[in-house]
Amino acid sequence: GAGVSQSPSNKVTEKGKDVELRCDPISGHTALYWYRQSLGQGLEFLIYFQGNSAPDKSGLPSDRFSAERTGGSVSTLTIQRTQQEDSAVYLCASSTRAGAGAYNEQFFGPGTRLTVL
Amino acid sequence: DAKTTQPNSMESNEEEPVHLPCNHSTISGTDYIHWYRQLPSQGPEYVIHGLTSNVNNRMASLAIAEDRKSSTLILHRATLRDAAVYYCILRNSGYALNFGKGTSLLVTP
Repeated sequence: GAGVSQSPSNKVTEKGKDVELRCDPISGHTALYWYRQSLGQGLEFLIYFQGNSAPDKSGLPSDRFSAERTGGSVSTLTIQRTQQEDSAVYLCASSTRAGAGAYNEQFFGPGTRLTVL
Repeated sequence: DAKTTQPNSMESNEEEPVHLPCNHSTISGTDYIHWYRQLPSQGPEYVIHGLTSNVNNRMASLAIAEDRKSSTLILHRATLRDAAVYYCILRNSGYALNFGKGTSLLVTP
């Protein structure tokens, strides 16, 4: 079946511009996560959605970052007034259920590589 | 999450077994041991997880020490496609994955 898809695969933007990154999770997955990965670094958690519950935004690095998930499916991560330090690969993942992290496998998309000039 | 320690890099010949170690001396009784890997220019991919007993699946085997302070991911016959960064993490009640630097596996023909 189809996996997690993300678009665009690459995005180059100028400092100060806004960008929108899209994630289509696996159908039926109720939990959706956004991470980012800077060059040579590990994963940095950004935000988590579970069904209709309020998202956990504790990982968002600043108020320039926001995300929404419409209809419990597609999610959009928006970065306003981009800065050069926002350059990274933004990864989306989904899973069949939330919370119970001890054994909950996450399925990742290929990521969006964002470059801010 | 409790911390894990992995070697920065390892090298293997194609079609030979690979043993990737992970130390987690501060593991708690309810921590699960998970392994993910990340192929070049791709998102991370789940490999295997376990709690106390050794586990096998189509991708790999996970050997867990009796005291659970270490574990080993075993690839039985490495292929060129197995060249990736392998991450060992401990998971409990949280949902966010917290990867460190992992082990970069190089597979040579």
